[in-house]
Amino acid sequence: NAGVMQNPRHLVRRRGQEARLRCSPMKGHSHVYWYRQLPEEGLKFMVYLQKENIIDESGMPKERFSAEFPKEGPSILRIQQVVRGDSAAYFCASSPRSSTDTQYFGPGTRLTVL
Amino acid sequence: QKEVEQDPGPLSVPEGAIVSLNCTYSNSAFQYFMWYRQYSRKGPELLMYTYSSGNKEDGRFTAQVDKSSKYISLFIRDSQPSDSATYLCAMSAPGGSYIPTFGRGTSLIVHP
Repeated sequence: NAGVMQNPRHLVRRRGQEARLRCSPMKGHSHVYWYRQLPEEGLKFMVYLQKENIIDESGMPKERFSAEFPKEGPSILRIQQVVRGDSAAYFCASSPRSSTDTQYFGPGTRLTVL
Repeated sequence: QKEVEQDPGPLSVPEGAIVSLNCTYSNSAFQYFMWYRQYSRKGPELLMYTYSSGNKEDGRFTAQVDKSSKYISLFIRDSQPSDSATYLCAMSAPGGSYIPTFGRGTSLIVHP
């Protein structure tokens, strides 16, 4: 049973470009969470999605960031017009039924903005 | 004051030592407490999960929750070099979306 998959593992973008990060949850999991990890700040929640619905986006920056989890295919975290401050590790986690279930994390995507 | 405080370390111990990792928190609504282990360049993996106060043991790992002091601990007995990693505490409150709040992690180094 494959775990949570994220791609790409490493992504380099120049300032002003768009970054698309993908997350495929574990088989049978319908809940997806995105987190950002900065060296001095730890793991910060961004957004919680179910299939076709955003449940909690309280941690998402108001501008340039968006997330979706379509009926078919992976969840996408999209960052428009990236800036150097967006450089971080972005982790996706999934859980089977609800947010009270254990979350299983993927290996992360390391975004570097030049 | 941050909701969850965790000393980033690094904490360096010899192989075989008992390790104590701790977090304090300010939100009295937290009821669910977790410890994650994160190896370098990897995603966090859940080690221990406890509800409310008390102790929970799993092999060499023991998690303790003291809600009166708003203090949680993870003890590792007979530490091994393979335990070298960053340990993140996390906690969540009932109601809402139960999304956990993480500490910034403590880096542990177990040297042979």
